[in-house]
Amino acid sequence: AQSVAQPEDQVNVAEGNPLTVKCTYSVSGNPYLFWYVQYPNRGLQFLLKYITGDNLVKGSYGFEAEFNKSQTSFHLKKPSALVSDSALYFCAVRDGNSGNTPLVFGKGTRLSVIA
Amino acid sequence: AAGVIQSPRHLIKEKRETATLKCYPIPRHDTVYWYQQGPGQDPQFLISFYEKMQSDKGSIPDRFSAQQFSDYHSELNMSSLELGDSALYFCASSLAGGREDYGYTFGSGTRLTVV
Repeated sequence: AQSVAQPEDQVNVAEGNPLTVKCTYSVSGNPYLFWYVQYPNRGLQFLLKYITGDNLVKGSYGFEAEFNKSQTSFHLKKPSALVSDSALYFCAVRDGNSGNTPLVFGKGTRLSVIA
Repeated sequence: AAGVIQSPRHLIKEKRETATLKCYPIPRHDTVYWYQQGPGQDPQFLISFYEKMQSDKGSIPDRFSAQQFSDYHSELNMSSLELGDSALYFCASSLAGGREDYGYTFGSGTRLTVV
């Protein structure tokens, strides 16, 4: 079984400052990790993924995430936040050893970037 | 590029009525997933299909059923609707087995309101 924890319901950051949205995971096999963003009344938009390779993954809109196997973490980061980054962010995991198992999502973290 | 198409976008039903939600996956994708996202909640996995066969089952109520057709589109049938069924229903599609693992591509969702 797999699970995702996003320990912060809300993250507030000033525009121009770096942001971090935390995610830790638990999976019995090989972790495939994802970040999605959701704007109000919209669908889930893919940001980035870690499947294999470099632990630092770069994605859309200047976001990046670092896979840390020892800490079972996959925190989302951005060097300089924009007001337009304000949204709901979901971390998700699936077991890469198990074919097409469904994604399991965290509870989500609401990011608020203040001008 | 073609995306995942869901219809209808919005649906209002009364209690005890039935509803049918449709999902058209990205061409060549063979796996479809259904998720339910209640207000302020994370997406919860309902059910998935691979090559027209059910592959995984999550927290789908017995009142709900789904299938994938020969053209790979999927339908989620919901009967005896309850107020608590009001949610955003997402469909996602992918290629199975990690052959093209971008996570999944999500549709924009169907917002079901039960009154």
